[in-house]
Amino acid sequence: AQSVTQLGSHVSVSEGALVLLRCNYSSSVPPYLFWYVQYPNQGLQLLLKYTTGATLVKGINGFEAEFKKSETSFHLTKPSAHMSDAAEYFCAVKEGSNYKLTFGKGTLLTVNP
Amino acid sequence: NAGVTQTPKFQVLKTGQSMTLQCAQDMNHEYMSWYRQDPGMGLRLIHYSVGAGITDQGEVPNGYNVSRSTTEDFPLRLLSAAPSQTSVYFCASSPPGVSTDTQYFGPGTRLTVL
Repeated sequence: AQSVTQLGSHVSVSEGALVLLRCNYSSSVPPYLFWYVQYPNQGLQLLLKYTTGATLVKGINGFEAEFKKSETSFHLTKPSAHMSDAAEYFCAVKEGSNYKLTFGKGTLLTVNP
Repeated sequence: NAGVTQTPKFQVLKTGQSMTLQCAQDMNHEYMSWYRQDPGMGLRLIHYSVGAGITDQGEVPNGYNVSRSTTEDFPLRLLSAAPSQTSVYFCASSPPGVSTDTQYFGPGTRLTVL
């Protein structure tokens, strides 16, 4: 069965600092991996995804993530945080053609001026 | 395209009342699903459908019913609301095909059961 663990329910950074949100997954088959962002009182928006091919994936708003099979990780990074990045971030895994997404519990990112 | 729409945005129910949360998409997506979001729990799958006439249970189906009579609509029914069903509910859809990967989410329905 697939599962996702997000390390740290709350991450706080200063504006301009590196953002690192951690995600580890478990899957019995090659996974599809996703990061979604949720701004206050809104639905979820796709940031980026890994399906096959290049393991470094670039997404919207300057975010990127690297799929590391040996570490079963898919950490999300951004070199320089902006105030507008404050939101909750969810990592999710899907096993191949199986439609079902399994989400992590989320990480709330706070950006301090 | 309007994408995935959900109604109502907010709802307050009393224990034991019934109601239907509406979800519709105009993208001809085959796959649709319902999630609930609770603080510290992430999103948990309630029910899903891989096409009209086909539904199945997710991780937390108890207390909820669904049906899929058309490709566009996927309503979620609470037959007898309980305070434990206080949550934010999201509907999502995906296009058809083996390469399907991205799910598109609606804006959510915030439900309070007193």
